[in-house]
Amino acid sequence: EDKVVQSPLSLVVHEGDTVTLNCSYEVTNFRSLLWYKQEKKAPTFLFMLTSSGIEKKSGRLSSILDKKELFSILNITATQTGDSAVYLCAVANAGNMLTFGGGTRLMVKP
Amino acid sequence: KAGVTQTPRYLIKTRGQQVTLSCSPISGHRSVSWYQQTPGQGLQFLFEYFSETQRNKGNFPGRFSGRQFSNSRSEMNVSTLELGDSALYLCASSSEVQGAGETQYFGPGTRLLVL
Repeated sequence: EDKVVQSPLSLVVHEGDTVTLNCSYEVTNFRSLLWYKQEKKAPTFLFMLTSSGIEKKSGRLSSILDKKELFSILNITATQTGDSAVYLCAVANAGNMLTFGGGTRLMVKP
Repeated sequence: KAGVTQTPRYLIKTRGQQVTLSCSPISGHRSVSWYQQTPGQGLQFLFEYFSETQRNKGNFPGRFSGRQFSNSRSEMNVSTLELGDSALYLCASSSEVQGAGETQYFGPGTRLLVL
């Protein structure tokens, strides 16, 4: 059975801090790993990673995948209160089925 | 391009009833997947449709079913509702072509409450 584990479960930081969110996985026929941000609505897409060692970057957010060690990290630098959300990691298998982790709840205090 | 739309946004039903939820994918997207999100279980995959055919199915009972129409719009049906079916039901679409590996984009969800 495919499995995705995220850590930490929750995190409280202050504006300006840098955070690192972790995602480890066990999946048969891995295709890609995706990061989503979920506020009080549907998850919004952040990154899709398919190759090891290639960093994807969007503004203050970046992510990298290690297919040998089966994990990914999501970094957020210079955090802002608007970054407060649940961050979801999901792994897609060859059948395009997503298995989600339990999420990391990030709270950024002013 | 308009995003994924889902109707209705909120629904209240009683045990034993049935419900139909609708999802319209992003224009040009042919794959539609359905997920159930609950505080206890997180996001769980229900099923995926591509070109009017169910391509994948998660571990949910037969009370959960779906279909896809020729315009890629999809419906999900839950029969004989149980209290535990209360959840946020999310639909996601992608331009998935077998083997291509595309990102899934989520709609706003339908929040179902079963009393």
